[in-house]
Amino acid sequence: DQQVKQNSPSLSVQEGRISILNCDYTNSMFDYFLWYKKYPAEGPTFLISISSIKDKNEDGRFTVFLNKSAKHLSLHIVPSQPGDSAVYFCAASVWTNAGKSTFGDGTTLTVKP
Amino acid sequence: DARVTQTPRDKVTEMGQEVTMRCQPILGHNTVFWYRQTMMQGLELLAYFRNRAPLDDSGMPKDRFSAEMPDATLATLKIQPSEPRDSAVYFCASGLGGSETQYFGPGTRLLVL
Repeated sequence: DQQVKQNSPSLSVQEGRISILNCDYTNSMFDYFLWYKKYPAEGPTFLISISSIKDKNEDGRFTVFLNKSAKHLSLHIVPSQPGDSAVYFCAASVWTNAGKSTFGDGTTLTVKP
Repeated sequence: DARVTQTPRDKVTEMGQEVTMRCQPILGHNTVFWYRQTMMQGLELLAYFRNRAPLDDSGMPKDRFSAEMPDATLATLKIQPSEPRDSAVYFCASGLGGSETQYFGPGTRLLVL
């Protein structure tokens, strides 16, 4: 039973346009959500997070939206840049669970110049 | 620039051999995670430790995998005997209690022939 799902394995957008990456979860106990970015031959790096008490968090070009009733979150990148091309992992955790996160399978974003 | 280090970066071995992967977490971090990423799957949690004590190793095949933290600066993941299906990239990550963010190492790419 996969508790965190990223249903789109890949996404391709034009430079300057918006990229929207989606993530769904099934465990209603999750109360903290994170996005990580991964370049080839490197480990994932933290990008942005959101607590369940919020429905939006913004950091520069990156915004994460959380819809708790739908158990859905999305990452918006505006404007997209070629350097954003990477694999994006959605992760979810229960705040009291010692920092353990459950990861989705990732979405490969390609931003074309 | 604090970062998680992993050795070796690449390992090629023959089926049946013992493999040991090492991780040095960021100084001061008290939570350590081991993940496996295969071509077809996302990040699969194998085991994690808090304050050097194992909290959960339910993701590991118990008969051949073992994880330990001999001290606060070293985490090890051993496979004995190794099998071709163990071929994957193994990531170590560390974190600080009270924070959900994990900091990943560059990974060990394992190929078992």
